[in-house]
Amino acid sequence: EVQLVESGGGLVQPGRSLRLSCAASGFTFDDYAMHWVRQAPGKGLEWVSGISWNSGSIGYADSVKGRFTISRDNAKNSLYLQMNSLRAEDTALYYCAKDMGGGQLLFTFDIWGQGTMVTVSS
Amino acid sequence: DIQMTQSPSSLSASVGDRVTITCRASQSISSYLNWYQQKPGKAPKLLIYAASSLQSGVPSRFSGSGSGTDFTLTISSLQPEDFATYYCQQSYSRITFGQGTRLEIK
Repeated sequence: EVQLVESGGGLVQPGRSLRLSCAASGFTFDDYAMHWVRQAPGKGLEWVSGISWNSGSIGYADSVKGRFTISRDNAKNSLYLQMNSLRAEDTALYYCAKDMGGGQLLFTFDIWGQGTMVTVSS
Repeated sequence: DIQMTQSPSSLSASVGDRVTITCRASQSISSYLNWYQQKPGKAPKLLIYAASSLQSGVPSRFSGSGSGTDFTLTISSLQPEDFATYYCQQSYSRITFGQGTRLEIK
C-alpha cells in the first residue's frame, strides 16, 4: 500500500524552529519528486515547497523562502521540512505529497499523507 | 502570481444532480490544471490532472475540461460520497490553488 506518514508537528513559540518528517512506503521513493502543502485551520491549500528525486531542483513559496528548507534522504525513504523563524501565520496542517510526474517537479500531487499540525503561538 | 478563482464558492445540490464547478485563471495556463476533492478531516484526493485526464480509480462521473484560462469540473450524477470541498490548482507557474468550492447536500 502506498503510504505517506508525517510527523514532527506540535506547538512552538514564534521565532523558534521545528523539523517535520515524512516517511514513505509502498513505492520507489527515489523515483519521484515530493512536496509539502499546508492548510491553515478552516482555510484553503497552499503549496509550501517541492524537491526533485535527486534534490537537484528545489522550490519554495515566497511566504517561506529563506526560512524553510526542504530535504530528502532516499536511503531512508524520507522527506523533511526544516522550519526556522516560525510565525503565527505558519500555523497549519502540513501535508507531505508525492508528485505524479516521476523524478522532476510536475506539481501534480497524487498521493497525500494525513498531515501533521503545526501551531505557532506564545 | 497566477490567481485562481473558483465559482461558486458553495453549492447545494441533490443526489443525482449534474453539477459544474468553474475555475478561472488570471492568465493563460494552457492545460496545467488539476482538481482535488477534500472531505472533512481528510487529505485532498487528486481527481483530474492536466485539465481533463481522469486519475486512476476515480469514478467516470467526474470529468474535467478547458484550457487557457477557463476550466470546469463536472460531476454527471451526484452520489452521497461526492459531498465535499473541491479545489482547482494550476501547475503552470508558481503553484496556486483556488479558494475551494463547498458542495453541500440540498
